[in-house]
Amino acid sequence: AQSVTQPDIHITVSEGASLELRCNYSYGATPYLFWYVQSPGQGLQLLLKYFSGDTLVQGIKGFEAEFKRSQSSFNLRKPSVHWSDAAEYFCAVGASGGGADGLTFGKGTHLIIQP
Amino acid sequence: EPEVTQTPSHQVTQMGQEVILRCVPISNHLYFYWYRQILGQKVEFLVSFYNNEISEKSEIFDDQFSVERPDGSNFTLKIRSTKLEDSAMYFCASTSSIPSLHFGNGTRLTVT
Repeated sequence: AQSVTQPDIHITVSEGASLELRCNYSYGATPYLFWYVQSPGQGLQLLLKYFSGDTLVQGIKGFEAEFKRSQSSFNLRKPSVHWSDAAEYFCAVGASGGGADGLTFGKGTHLIIQP
Repeated sequence: EPEVTQTPSHQVTQMGQEVILRCVPISNHLYFYWYRQILGQKVEFLVSFYNNEISEKSEIFDDQFSVERPDGSNFTLKIRSTKLEDSAMYFCASTSSIPSLHFGNGTRLTVT
């Protein structure tokens, strides 16, 4: 079964600084990988996804993520964060075989933006 | 852009009562899901539904839970006799292409 680890529960970043949120996955084959963002009281919004091909994927709101097979990682990055980026970020893995249980989520990383 | 819509956004109920959470998936999607997020914890899979039957369910999805697609547009989650520990945010999701899911904004269920 697949699993996702987000090692950082909280991260604090100054506005305008760069950001990297870590995600490690466990899956027997090439996974489908996702990052979702959840603002307070809101639903899950898809930031970006990786299925195959170029290992650096671009998403919405200026986010990108890089798939590194050798490290089983899919870290999320943004060169310059804005106060509106303060939210909970979830990494998720899906079975490339199309398992009907959809996605397995990590526990999330809470991003705090300092002025 | 089409969206998954969930109603109500917040439901308060007393322990032991039945609740029905409603979802309208994106219209051309074929796969439907319910996930749950207890406050401060991760999002957990409950059940998937395809071709008018359950495809997969987790250990959380016990006999107190049921799902139904009563017509061509709605997808519901019923909890027969709610417990305090059922308090959570419940997310509906749909897709035409597993596992790229589209999530609704969730229903926050509070059991008192």
